Amino acid sequence: DAKTTQPTSMDCAEGRAANLPCNHSTISGNEYVYWYRQIHSQGPQYIIHGLKNNETNEMASLIITEDRKSSTLILPHATLRDTAVYYCIVRVGAGGTSYGKLTFGQGTILTVHP
Amino acid sequence: DVKVTQSSRYLVKRTGEKVFLECVQDMDHENMFWYRQDPGLGLRLIYFSYDVKMKEKGDIPEGYSVSREKKERFSLILESASTNQTSMYLCASSQPSGGLSYEQYFGPGTRLTVT
Repeated sequence: DAKTTQPTSMDCAEGRAANLPCNHSTISGNEYVYWYRQIHSQGPQYIIHGLKNNETNEMASLIITEDRKSSTLILPHATLRDTAVYYCIVRVGAGGTSYGKLTFGQGTILTVHP
Repeated sequence: DVKVTQSSRYLVKRTGEKVFLECVQDMDHENMFWYRQDPGLGLRLIYFSYDVKMKEKGDIPEGYSVSREKKERFSLILESASTNQTSMYLCASSQPSGGLSYEQYFGPGTRLTVT
């Protein structure tokens, strides 16, 4: 699975958009980009994933560059409850022998301020 | 909603004890995983299972074993607990979705302290 690079920490004002970058320059053509987050003292929570097109769901938007070497997770109106560690993960989709194993890096600590 | 439950939120055990951590999921998922999480090291995969009675080693299986006798239950066993196994243990489950991608659902975690 491709390695990812994320900033260690970021700050965001409540109500503003939070844009979390992720570099994955060695991504392969069949690898997806996943985002999870972990709120303090809880298990990680799936947010969104994508292959090459931009994706949006009720939680966030995912923008993937045309060359797929980087992506940005966008929380359009951050709230205090969005304070968490955000993980960007790159891995192949279903199939093969890895059975959906995820490799979590250090992630980005996002702090949303009032 | 998918629910993954773990038997304890907090557990304190003595060195040398045999420890069982239980995980149950209610969505009939085929895949289940055990991770441990330590400060500065992120989440690391210990074992995973893709079917009943099937298991595969993850990245750090030493000192651990697992059991999957029923589809909904995946147990992590510390045969002889040691202080370096003090950690947060997280269970997850997922279901392959037609060749697309996996979404893993995590339990709340068990914080194990070995003294």
